[in-house]
Amino acid sequence: DTEVTQTPKHLVMGMTNKKSLKCEQHMGHRAMYWYKQKAKKPPELMFVYSYEKLSINESVPSRFSPECPNSSLLNLHLHALQPEDSALYLCASSQVPSGVTDTQYFGPGTRLTVL
Amino acid sequence: DAKTTQPNSMESNEEEPVHLPCNHSTISGTDYIHWYRQLPSQGPEYVIHGLTSNVNNRMASLAIAEDRKSSTLILHRATLRDAAVYYCILRRVGSARQLTFGSGTQLTVLP
Repeated sequence: DTEVTQTPKHLVMGMTNKKSLKCEQHMGHRAMYWYKQKAKKPPELMFVYSYEKLSINESVPSRFSPECPNSSLLNLHLHALQPEDSALYLCASSQVPSGVTDTQYFGPGTRLTVL
Repeated sequence: DAKTTQPNSMESNEEEPVHLPCNHSTISGTDYIHWYRQLPSQGPEYVIHGLTSNVNNRMASLAIAEDRKSSTLILHRATLRDAAVYYCILRRVGSARQLTFGSGTQLTVLP
């Protein structure tokens, strides 16, 4: 099974709401990623987790809070977002240790709209 | 990091071959060339990768120039399902593990 699942598929939230995005994989991968993709733009990295520990944070605002509770699950907690945070949020996973030949498997994304 | 340059868009007729170019004139000897594609309303998916030699898999072929300053992704027989944004990405040995996407090429397949 090479599937990465993400829930919900769509999310609409107000600027004062708190919500969470969920990502799950059962491929035994120990590296997991969050990317953000604005319309008509390429994905941009937000966070990387390696062995359930945060290894890269690409200067993402604190209103985005990642969490990796176990090796199969990755969450992105959202609080006090701005309308410009509306985007497609993509989760991916890959094997660890990494080589430059490792493949990243992406989920279908969560389409987030902030009102 | 070495950068890649791709045409913004290309068109192909269904059932004909498609050659998607990528320029990477500042590529280093330890950079692998990866291709991912993103179908509409989906996350990116891996297509193929290579270092120096041409590569084939069930999805596509990758032709790498002898000087490695350019490469071409070849879809041998385009189908409507191949309409997607195709990203050419360089990944360097020993560098960070994330993918750095360029702007990609939007491939339109005409019936």
